[in-house]
Amino acid sequence: KNQVEQSPQSLIILEGKNCTLQCNYTVSPFSNLRWYKQDTGRGPVSLTIMTFSENTKSNGRYTATLDADTKQSSLHITASQLSDSASYICVVSGTTTSGTYKYIFGTGTRLKVLA
Amino acid sequence: DGGITQSPKYLFRKEGQNVTLSCEQNLNHDAMYWYRQDPGQGLRLIYYSQIVNDFQKGDIAEGYSVSREKKESFPLTVTSAQKNPTAFYLCASSFSPMNTEAFFGQGTRLTVV
Repeated sequence: KNQVEQSPQSLIILEGKNCTLQCNYTVSPFSNLRWYKQDTGRGPVSLTIMTFSENTKSNGRYTATLDADTKQSSLHITASQLSDSASYICVVSGTTTSGTYKYIFGTGTRLKVLA
Repeated sequence: DGGITQSPKYLFRKEGQNVTLSCEQNLNHDAMYWYRQDPGQGLRLIYYSQIVNDFQKGDIAEGYSVSREKKESFPLTVTSAQKNPTAFYLCASSFSPMNTEAFFGQGTRLTVV
């Protein structure tokens, strides 16, 4: 069964600290992987997208890594800010048995940054 | 501005009533999607449409209906047959079905009272 698992479920850090969120997936065949940021009560906003040939992708203080061999991705947030408080969702795009693509969503990591 | 717009942001419905959620995009995307988000769960696909006048059931289509008469619009009707409709509903669109980046609306929170 195609799955995307994220850890930890929730995380609390102090402002200015770094943190790393994890995403493990069993989706196969795999097309690409995205990280989204979702503020409470809002729609998700894309942070990064990586294909299987990419190992790392940065977007400001956000850096995503991908190991397609071990099927693991991480999202590293540097020098966290209060505005980073949100849920971070890992989404994998893979193909179904009928050959169509499908987005498979993780349940997200809820990050809280404290002053 | 280009984007995807959902309305209303909050919606209250009495049990037994149908209600329609609006989703409009001006990104010229072919594919549009409706997801449901519940606490502690990943987004679950309700319906998706790859082109105008075509749509497919997702993983949890029971109790919902959609139409795609225009490229820009993909309204979702939550019918009285949906047993647990209270949730946060997200509409999204992409250039091609589920492979390119999906852009999300701001969501509609539906509460059944």
